[in-house]
Amino acid sequence: AQTVTQSQPEMSVQEAETVTLSCTYDTSESDYYLFWYKQPPSRQMILVIRQEAYKQQNATENRFSVNFQKAAKSFSLKISDSQLGDAAMYFCAYRSGRTSGSRLTFGEGTQLTVNP
Amino acid sequence: AAGVIQSPRHLIKEKRETATLKCYPIPRHDTVYWYQQGPGQDPQFLISFYEKMQSDKGSIPDRFSAQQFSDYHSELNMSSLELGDSALYFCASSIGTRYEQYFGPGTRLTVT
Repeated sequence: AQTVTQSQPEMSVQEAETVTLSCTYDTSESDYYLFWYKQPPSRQMILVIRQEAYKQQNATENRFSVNFQKAAKSFSLKISDSQLGDAAMYFCAYRSGRTSGSRLTFGEGTQLTVNP
Repeated sequence: AAGVIQSPRHLIKEKRETATLKCYPIPRHDTVYWYQQGPGQDPQFLISFYEKMQSDKGSIPDRFSAQQFSDYHSELNMSSLELGDSALYFCASSIGTRYEQYFGPGTRLTVT
C-alpha cells in the first residue's frame, strides 16, 4: 500500500517570503500522480498543483512550484511571495496511475501560518 | 465555473439513526469519490463510482452504502450511526479516473 508522509505538522512564514513544505511517499508503482491540496479554515479542499510521475519537469502554478525527486520519492511544495490568503492546512496526496486505483491517499497535513 | 454540490451542508443525528448524504458532480464528470475527514485528520477514502459502477472501495464500514445514479449524482447512506461517525464527508468528482479530483464543500455530520 502507498503511504504519504508530511513531517512538518506546522510551518510559519512572513508575508512576501518563501516557504517550502515537505512530503515523502512510498510506492512500488512507476505510474502515479502527486498533488498538493489546500484546506483553508472554510474546510474546502482546493487543488493547488499536480505532478505526473513520468514528467521530469517540475510543475508550476503561478507562485506555487514543486520539487519532484522521483528517486528519493520526495515531493515538496514551494510557495513564493507568501500572502495572508495562503494560510491553510496543506495536504500532499498520491494517486495511482491504475484506472481502478484512483483514490487519493493523503499525508497528515502541514498547517501553514502566514505572519503579516 | 460549476462546482461539486453536496447536501445537506450540516446534519445532526442521534446514535442509531440513519443519514443520507447527496453529491452532485461537476457537469460532464462521470466519476464520484467519497472521503471522510475526522477532526484533526486527513481525508480517508471511502468509495468511488465510475459510470455508475463501483470502481474502488476503501475503509467504508458495512453500515454504509453508496450508489451512483443515471444522472451521475451519488448518495452515501449511513445506518446505525455511531458517535465516531461524526466527521466532515467530502464528495469529489472527476472526468474518468485519470484526471484531477475536485472536491465539494463537504457535509458536516454530527452524531449525538
